[in-house]
Amino acid sequence: DVKVTQSSRYLVKRTGEKVFLECVQDMDHENMFWYRQDPGLGLRLIYFSYDVKMKEKGDIPEGYSVSREKKERFSLILESASTNQTSMYLCASTREDSHNEQFFGPGTRLTVL
Amino acid sequence: GQQVMQIPQYQHVQEGEDFTTYCNSSTTLSNIQWYKQRPGGHPVFLIQLVKSGEVKKQKRLTFQFGEAKKNSSLHITATQTTDVGTYFCAAPSGGSYIPTFGRGTSLIVHP
Repeated sequence: DVKVTQSSRYLVKRTGEKVFLECVQDMDHENMFWYRQDPGLGLRLIYFSYDVKMKEKGDIPEGYSVSREKKERFSLILESASTNQTSMYLCASTREDSHNEQFFGPGTRLTVL
Repeated sequence: GQQVMQIPQYQHVQEGEDFTTYCNSSTTLSNIQWYKQRPGGHPVFLIQLVKSGEVKKQKRLTFQFGEAKKNSSLHITATQTTDVGTYFCAAPSGGSYIPTFGRGTSLIVHP
């Protein structure tokens, strides 16, 4: 059974803190994605990675960075958290030959105070 | 910005009634996917449509891709409380192969 896991379901941080969100997939997928989900706005792509050490900006990369040192792990980093980054963060992965059937993790609800 | 416009944003139905959500694009889409997200859950892939005029069925769910490949719909016949959730369409935008998600339609089923 395919699986994408995220390090935390809920996280509370303070403004200015550095925040790490971790995502791990056990499907040997090449592509991994980070989205944020906000009410009424759907899912918006922050960054994606198509290989180890490779990354591409999505639609809303400002204030975020990513790291992919191993194939199975994709990290989202908030260098200095701000209140407008309070959101649900979803990680997803796909096979190399298909970007369209995305497997999502359970999500991390981040609150920045 | 969003390439696919999804309507309606919310839909309340009585259990047993039908439900339809629509996705529309100003440009031709190479393919479109549909996902379902239960309350408190994460999006789960339902189906992908690729061909012009394609119709696919999954039990009470019917998915259609328009002849011009600019619109798609998801129709649920005789809704049940288990159908509650948000339904998203997603399609590659511009020259990218990465799908952009619609804003979703939240289905509320009243018993």
